[in-house]
Amino acid sequence: AQKVTQAQTEISVVEKEDVTLDCVYETRDTTYYLFWYKQPPSGELVFLIRRNSFDEQNEISGRYSWNFQKSTSSFNFTITASQVVDSAVYFCALSEAWNYGQNFVFGPGTRLSVLP
Amino acid sequence: EAQVTQNPRYLITVTGKKLTVTCSQNMNHEYMSWYRQDPGLGLRQIYYSMNVEVTDKGDVPEGYKVSRKEKRNFPLILESPSPNQTSLYFCASRLTGGDGETQYFGPGTRLLVL
Repeated sequence: AQKVTQAQTEISVVEKEDVTLDCVYETRDTTYYLFWYKQPPSGELVFLIRRNSFDEQNEISGRYSWNFQKSTSSFNFTITASQVVDSAVYFCALSEAWNYGQNFVFGPGTRLSVLP
Repeated sequence: EAQVTQNPRYLITVTGKKLTVTCSQNMNHEYMSWYRQDPGLGLRQIYYSMNVEVTDKGDVPEGYKVSRKEKRNFPLILESPSPNQTSLYFCASRLTGGDGETQYFGPGTRLLVL
């Protein structure tokens, strides 16, 4: 069965620090997709990134970067030089290609607080 | 603007009073889904729909109903709400092929059942 674990429930950092949010997943499928979503205090869910299981290249988007390692079943998210606006709950999610309907599983989320 | 809309955004009701939360998307997505978000549990899927007139249960369907009569709409119905259905609800939609794995979410509906 598919599962997503985000072991860090809450993280607090001071502005300008780098921070890494961990995501470990379990799946029996060879084709799957991994996602990160951001939920700011206003409550909406903002899509950040999608990665498929055949693409292990790391990705960088501004201050955000993602490290995908199939060997450890991890898809970690790093924020460089954090800012107060990065304060949010971050969710990692997994979608298996074979189970097309009921296939989007979220981790419990990591609450990031960036202090000024 | 491509979006998923939900109404109402906030709702306080009493036990047993039927309610409907509407969801609409303007992206011509085949797939739509409902989730509830509870502290420490992340988002859990309630129901999903692969297309018009095709719906199926997710992980936590008890106490909920859905219908999909039109492609753009996917209402969530609570026939007899109970306090344990107090939660934050999200509707989502996506395509079902190609780059269709990304789900786009509505703004959420905060429901309090007294």
